[in-house]
Amino acid sequence: GEDVEQSLFLSVREGDSSVINCTYTDSSSTYLYWYKQEPGAGLQLLTYIFSNMDMKQDQRLTVLLNKKDKHLSLRIADTQTGDSAIYFCAEGPTSGGSYIPTFGRGTSLIVHP
Amino acid sequence: DTAVSQTPKYLVTQMGNDKSIKCEQNLGHDTMYWYKQDSKKFLKIMFSYNNKELIINETVPNRFSPKSPDKAHLNLHINSLELGDSAVYFCASSQEIASGTYEQYFGPGTRLTVT
Repeated sequence: GEDVEQSLFLSVREGDSSVINCTYTDSSSTYLYWYKQEPGAGLQLLTYIFSNMDMKQDQRLTVLLNKKDKHLSLRIADTQTGDSAIYFCAEGPTSGGSYIPTFGRGTSLIVHP
Repeated sequence: DTAVSQTPKYLVTQMGNDKSIKCEQNLGHDTMYWYKQDSKKFLKIMFSYNNKELIINETVPNRFSPKSPDKAHLNLHINSLELGDSAVYFCASSQEIASGTYEQYFGPGTRLTVT
């Protein structure tokens, strides 16, 4: 089975908050990451959280981590149409000094005007 | 300035051909990667490479091979292309910015279509 799981779709109205959820299995991950992929583009690192933190806030983004349940969420406040994209959760061990991430399948966020 | 660049952006070719995709990063990163993203947007790591180690995803067919002429480049060679190789291929690079913390940057992708 997959190591990182996400729901595939989320639809919200402009101005509402969006919450994208992710569960992972590797408890040894030091950091967990959120990436955004806009249509026709590569992945862009949005934010990350250290595994000993419960929450991290960065402007409209709030990351919540429940390490006991291995659950990570990304909350986007005041969601805008420009936030429409696919959001990937990632975690990963290192090997030989390299970061080897495992990505979820991505959550497509659709923002309606 | 583009941090991670790939060429070509689009590649259409016939089954059985051999093709290469080039990747360059100007970030000075130590590690580079190739990913395959299928039509359902599932992103699978194919290779990770730094000057110490090549890590290969064992599910990747040996028709795929990475070639790194120097630290800033990691090209992907594909032999005997098959229909199932059609996908978007992303190059990426990463650097450790603090102990255990990595930032990874992706290229814009190469859409490969095998006919």
